[in-house]
Amino acid sequence: DTAVSQTPKYLVTQMGNDKSIKCEQNLGHDTMYWYKQDSKKFLKIMFSYNNKELIINETVPNRFSPKSPDKAHLNLHINSLELGDSAVYFCASSQKVVNRGAPYEQYFGPGTRLTVT
Amino acid sequence: GENVEQHPSTLSVQEGDSAVIKCTYSDSASNYFPWYKQELGKRPQLIIDIRSNVGEKKDQRIAVTLNKTAKHFSLHITETQPEDSAVYFCAAPTNFGNEKLTFGTGTRLTIIP
Repeated sequence: DTAVSQTPKYLVTQMGNDKSIKCEQNLGHDTMYWYKQDSKKFLKIMFSYNNKELIINETVPNRFSPKSPDKAHLNLHINSLELGDSAVYFCASSQKVVNRGAPYEQYFGPGTRLTVT
Repeated sequence: GENVEQHPSTLSVQEGDSAVIKCTYSDSASNYFPWYKQELGKRPQLIIDIRSNVGEKKDQRIAVTLNKTAKHFSLHITETQPEDSAVYFCAAPTNFGNEKLTFGTGTRLTIIP
């Protein structure tokens, strides 16, 4: 069974459009993440949610808006897409860190390759 | 925040030889150091991690060493095989509740048959 799934796998769209990427995990994890991987393979965190609550919000344009309807889902909506948004977007999940203890393994989804033309 | 540097950015080794990838971190409070492997077109996957109470951890052909004084940790792959070809990322948590991982810039490892 797929642990972390994302849809769609590929997304090709024009500048100025609005698009969404969906993520679901069936691992029972409380924490979910969105990462952006650019053409140079740099992996940068964008957002993190813990049981539907936003806990990490990196310096990301406010055109990007995450939404977590429940702790198993974390969606990413992008408004007014720009050429520089082209990248692979990974969703990930992990168990919740307890009392500033050591983190747990992050499980990544298969990625969504977004191409903005 | 945490700053993680990774070297080298590319590495080619003959099949059967060893490969070593090194990372340094800046936050002395960091206590967990994972290594992820990303094959071409696939998702990053954890291959080994080490916590700050040990200096070395081994799992078959891969090992990670940690030097907390110098704030660096390394991935060692012995007896390399073609399937080891991938991009490898080190990471370290920030002191923000340890839920944020800062990833290194990646090392593209190529195993030459």
